[in-house]
Order: sequence, then structure tokens, then C-alpha cells
Amino acid sequence: EAGVAQSPRYKIIEKRQSVAFWCNPISGHATLYWYQQILGQGPKLLIQFQNNGVVDDSQLPKDRFSAERLKGVDSTLKIQPAKLEDSAVYLCASSSPPGNTIYFGEGSWLTVV
Amino acid sequence: KQEVTQIPAALSVPEGENLVLNCSFTDSAIYNLQWFRQDPGKGLTSLLLIQSSQREQTSGRLNASLDKSSGRSTLYIAASQPGDSATYLCAPGGSGSARQLTFGSGTQLTVLP
Repeated sequence: EAGVAQSPRYKIIEKRQSVAFWCNPISGHATLYWYQQILGQGPKLLIQFQNNGVVDDSQLPKDRFSAERLKGVDSTLKIQPAKLEDSAVYLCASSSPPGNTIYFGEGSWLTVV
Repeated sequence: KQEVTQIPAALSVPEGENLVLNCSFTDSAIYNLQWFRQDPGKGLTSLLLIQSSQREQTSGRLNASLDKSSGRSTLYIAASQPGDSATYLCAPGGSGSARQLTFGSGTQLTVLP
């Protein structure tokens, strides 16, 4: 069974530029999560989807971050414009249903300079 | 708001020792609790999931216990090996329909050969 796929693995951008991350969850998993992990901290949930609907985006900085999950399968997380403090690992995860074991991708590492 | 604390933040032990990692959380109204392992530069791997009605869960050399009323969980690793070196994170899942996980900052474990 294929795991959660993420791309790109690494990205370096200048502040005020934009970046997009892509995630393909495990086949059949209706729940998809995007987490932000800053070095030395645990992951923080940015947004949770159930199929193509948003369940929780209370911690998503909506002035600069956006996410979509078209057709209830893969998802894109966008940051525009990026700030220095957005430097982090962006982890995508999936589960079925919510509350079951969560499977994480290897993450997309973002450095904003 | 759920807050999760993991003690110690870092631990270094010689190979073969049995060890205990601690996790405490402030809101006892949880659905379940998951323990994860994170290797450097990688995503998280789920180790154990304990339902709120369970007291413990075992997988190989790992045993996790849960005392929901006191807001505590422990991860016991028997006969530690250098390959166990990683960061271990606990994450209680909320009782709402989203079952949202709140992560601690983790315990960084080093097992010395």
C-alpha cells in the first residue's frame, strides 16, 4: 500500500514570494490533514478535510495560507506572501475515519530567506 | 484548549536499558491517544494507539499506558537499542467529531551502543 506522498520535499524562497505544496493521501482515506512543524516543536494542525469539505481550519492564518482538496483526493497548501516565520516542515497526513491511526508523509521543508 | 507536556525533553541511555517516556495533558475528555516516532528529516510514524476506554496497548518491545482521569500516558521501551534513537511524540485526540490531535514537543531519545 502506497503511503502519503508529498512534493516538493525542499523549497527555499524569499520573503513575500509564494509557494505551493502538494499531497496525495493513502487511497481511500477520507480525512486529510495539513500540519506545520517548527524545529523543536510538535506538529500544529493547520487544516483538516473530510472528503473535500473543511472540518477545522481554526489555526490556519487565512490572510496568507490557503488550502484546497478538489474531488476529495489530493490537496494543495499555498502560502502567499511568505514570511520568515513560515520556515517550517509542512506535513500532510491522512486517516480513515478521523480518530483512527494517522499516516504521515515525509514532509515538505520550507526555508524563507 | 488541550495542552500536552512531555518530560524529559531529551534522554540519553546505554543500549539494553528499559526506559519510560512521560506525557501529560490538561483536558481528560479525550477520544484516544497516539504515540509517534519521528526520525531526523522524516515524517511521523504511528507506534501505538490507545482508545480512551483502554488502560494499555503493547507492540513488541513497546508498551503504552493511559490514565485518562489524571491526564497521563507513559511509553515504556524494553531493552533499548541504538535503532530506537528518535524523537517520540504523544498526541491525545479530542472527543469532538474531528478527533483533532494535539501534539507535545516530544522526547528526543539517544540510545548509545
